[in-house]
Amino acid sequence: NAGVTQTPKFRILKIGQSMTLQCTQDMNHNYMYWYRQDPGMGLKLIYYSVGAGITDKGEVPNGYNVSRSTTEDFPLRLELAAPSQTSVYFCASRRLDEQFFGPGTRLTVL
Amino acid sequence: DQQVKQNSPSLSVQEGRISILNCDYTNSMFDYFLWYKKYPAEGPTFLISISSIKDKNEDGRFTVFLNKSAKHLSLHIVPSQPGDSAVYFCAATLSNDYKLSFGAGTTVTVRA
Repeated sequence: NAGVTQTPKFRILKIGQSMTLQCTQDMNHNYMYWYRQDPGMGLKLIYYSVGAGITDKGEVPNGYNVSRSTTEDFPLRLELAAPSQTSVYFCASRRLDEQFFGPGTRLTVL
Repeated sequence: DQQVKQNSPSLSVQEGRISILNCDYTNSMFDYFLWYKKYPAEGPTFLISISSIKDKNEDGRFTVFLNKSAKHLSLHIVPSQPGDSAVYFCAATLSNDYKLSFGAGTTVTVRA
């Protein structure tokens, strides 16, 4: 049981490039979340999903897209990367009242 | 608009003593509160939670207190151990949607 896994661990992008952050959970949780954490700040919700095929915006969705074709996977897509998207990205899944987080992806946009 | 605030960015405490972490929130609709612990290069892990129908919840060395009238909660760690050195995040949510609002975190350092 690996829990929530995220790839890659680190990535450097140039301005205007695009990429997909991968997130997979093996706990069969319906709810999944994407957060970003900027230095000295708390985690902020980007997008979330309540099940396969259903996604919704969180607090800071601009510049991102998500899809949820299976229960296990919840990829986060960055189109036209900008320096403001430099952050650490965490994916999480939820069972009852507890969210389980992945180890994070550290993204730098130069 | 920061709905959850942790005003102390850091806390240093001697091993064996009590650590007290504070958290304030502004949204009176929040009815469920959580504390997460985070080590470097890892994701946050759930520590303890409390519903707004309670004013205290205890789990081993960790106790969370909730003061709804003051919109304030605190986490007590007794006794503090070196392994408790980490960043602690306070989070709040509505129990019908579980979209967490996080504070900025408090870095706890436990000195031997």
